[in-house]
Amino acid sequence: SQTIHQWPATLVQPVGSPLSLECTVEGTSNPNLYWYRQAAGRGLQLLFYSVGIGQISSEVPQNLSASRPQDRQFILSSKKLLLSDSGFYLCAWSAYGGGTDTQYFGPGTRLTVL
Amino acid sequence: DAKTTQPPSMDCAEGRAANLPCNHSTISGNEYVYWYRQIHSQGPQYIIHGLKNNETNEMASLIITEDRKSSTLILPHATLRDTAVYYCIVDGGANNLFFGTGTRLTVIP
Repeated sequence: SQTIHQWPATLVQPVGSPLSLECTVEGTSNPNLYWYRQAAGRGLQLLFYSVGIGQISSEVPQNLSASRPQDRQFILSSKKLLLSDSGFYLCAWSAYGGGTDTQYFGPGTRLTVL
Repeated sequence: DAKTTQPPSMDCAEGRAANLPCNHSTISGNEYVYWYRQIHSQGPQYIIHGLKNNETNEMASLIITEDRKSSTLILPHATLRDTAVYYCIVDGGANNLFFGTGTRLTVIP
């Protein structure tokens, strides 16, 4: 069966510090991968998605970036965090093939920028 | 993407059926209706999806109206662990699931 991991689970970082959040998927090949952010009490906002290694689509302009160095690894980064980057970051995967495919979410990383 | 309208909150007695409505009047012919739920501080959990026909799985049933402009998620025997925010989403494969604010379901003992 497929599983999705995210780490760390929680993170407290000062403003201006760098960020690296990691997501890995097991039990599937060539998945579509997604990064979402959820602000407190709000819905989910899609940040990035990837249909393959090195292929990243950005949905929202911001100071975050994403990379996919391996088939089942998705990384969210920032060079300098802002207060507004605080939130709950969720990684998700879906089976490759386009159309409408169910997305399965990881446990999330709660980021607090102070 | 079509958007959805859900009541902000609902209560349900433990053991009773929970019926969560969703309006999606601008849904397109190729868009599916998806339901997810999110328990506090966890990632969203997929529940069920459908296109035209009613669907049932081990978690829930999905009833879609004939004109596809609305749907109802049914949890047949709600338990305390079903307390969560339930999201109704329409998706046509655009890689962007639009999660609104959902319905906060509280199951009452």
